[in-house]
Amino acid sequence: ETGVTQTPRHLVMGMTNKKSLKCEQHLGHNAMYWYKQSAKKPLELMFVYSLEERVENNSVPSRFSPECPNSSHLFLHLHTLQPEDSALYLCASSQALAGGGDEQFFGPGTRLTVL
Amino acid sequence: QKEVEQNSGPLSVPEGAIASLNCTYSDRGSQSFFWYRQYSGKSPELIMSIYSNGDKEDGRFTAQLNKASQYVSLLIRDSQPSDSATYLCAVTDNDYKLSFGAGTTVTVRA
Repeated sequence: ETGVTQTPRHLVMGMTNKKSLKCEQHLGHNAMYWYKQSAKKPLELMFVYSLEERVENNSVPSRFSPECPNSSHLFLHLHTLQPEDSALYLCASSQALAGGGDEQFFGPGTRLTVL
Repeated sequence: QKEVEQNSGPLSVPEGAIASLNCTYSDRGSQSFFWYRQYSGKSPELIMSIYSNGDKEDGRFTAQLNKASQYVSLLIRDSQPSDSATYLCAVTDNDYKLSFGAGTTVTVRA
């Protein structure tokens, strides 16, 4: 396991529910990311935070709402989701934001099923 | 829209053989290239990064980059059953946005 943890690991929710995904990194990194991974599709970047400021919102529907209260924690608040939102949601962190050389460390993911 | 293409596989190789994975990308401005390994039910982990044309070797893994032809490949020598996983190619033009391929699934037969 890496220094990035995610909870819960599995989540089943109805379309009218509200839930939150939590990510915590213990690596002292300054940048954090949310990705969506659907079966047989490439990872999709959803949100990027650098030093608690959002720097990217990759055309994600408003039913997904991120929150970054500090550089170690990242949340993804979910409400009125659709069945097609069922996927593996991965959190990642990296030391710095700028430049492609910084490795992104991934958490174990939350497997989300929307009924 | 940056596109990264990989053969989905599955790529089946016998134990001890060389597994060869290919990746092509559409953005000529791409500068950094990564290979991630993802075991079933697990998160991706970085196994190789390459930034300049040519070969880069790390243990049993060799990454090859050809920017003129816009492809990057990964060779796994002496393949082991523990190498069975999905391998993700990722590229970036040196900003934080990694563009991933859908992955190639490798199965190493004992």
